Amino acid sequence: AQSVTQLGSHVSVSEGALVLLRCNYSSSVPPYLFWYVQYPNQGLQLLLKYTTGATLVKGINGFEAEFKKSETSFHLTKPSAHMSDAAEYFCAVSPGNSGNTPLVFGKGTRLSVIA
Amino acid sequence: GAGVSQSPRYKVAKRGQDVALRCDPISGHVSLFWYQQALGQGPEFLTYFQNEAQLDKSGLPSDRFFAERPEGSVSTLKIQRTQQEDSAVYLCASSSGHWGTIQYFGAGTRLSVL
Repeated sequence: AQSVTQLGSHVSVSEGALVLLRCNYSSSVPPYLFWYVQYPNQGLQLLLKYTTGATLVKGINGFEAEFKKSETSFHLTKPSAHMSDAAEYFCAVSPGNSGNTPLVFGKGTRLSVIA
Repeated sequence: GAGVSQSPRYKVAKRGQDVALRCDPISGHVSLFWYQQALGQGPEFLTYFQNEAQLDKSGLPSDRFFAERPEGSVSTLKIQRTQQEDSAVYLCASSSGHWGTIQYFGAGTRLSVL
C-alpha cells in the first residue's frame, strides 16, 4: 500500500524567504510523485511531478522538488516566497501509471506568506 | 471545454435527500476519477472509470454512493439518503490514460448536508 506524510499542517514564511514543504512517502513499487497546489475554492493544479530520470524536478512558479529514494522523501522548495504562493499544497503518490491509477494524497500543508 | 467542468459548484441538501453531481472531463480523456475531500484533509479516492467501464469502486464509502459514466464521457456521482458525514468537496479528475500522464482536476462540488 502507498501512503504520504506531510510534516506540518501549516507553514508560515516571510515574503522573500525560503519555502520548504516536507513530504515523505511509502510505496511498495517505484513511485510516481506529485505536488499539487490548491487555491481557495479552486481545484488542484499540478506544480511538478517525478516519474523517472532526473531526481531534481523543476515545476511552475519557481518551485522544485528532489526525489530522494534513500530517504523516501520528495520535499518541495522555492528560494523566495511570494505573497501569491499562499495556498494549500498537497503531495501525492501514484503506485503505477499515473494516467490510470488513483492518486494517494497527503493531508496537505497550508502555506502562509507574511509581508 | 478546455478543462474539467463540475456542476453544481455548491449544493446544499437536507439530510435524507438524494443528490447528483456532474463531471464533464476534458474531451477525449478516457480515464475519469472521483475523489472526496473532507474539510482540512487531502483528497481521497472514491472510484475510477476507463471509458464507460467502472474499473475500481473500492473507495466508495457506502452503498449509498453510486457513480456512472454511460457513454464514456460525462460522469455522475449520486449520493442517496445523504448524511451529515457526506459533507465534503467532491473532486473529479480526468486523464488521457497514457503512461505517465497527469490527472487534471475540476474545481469541485462543495456539498453541505444539513
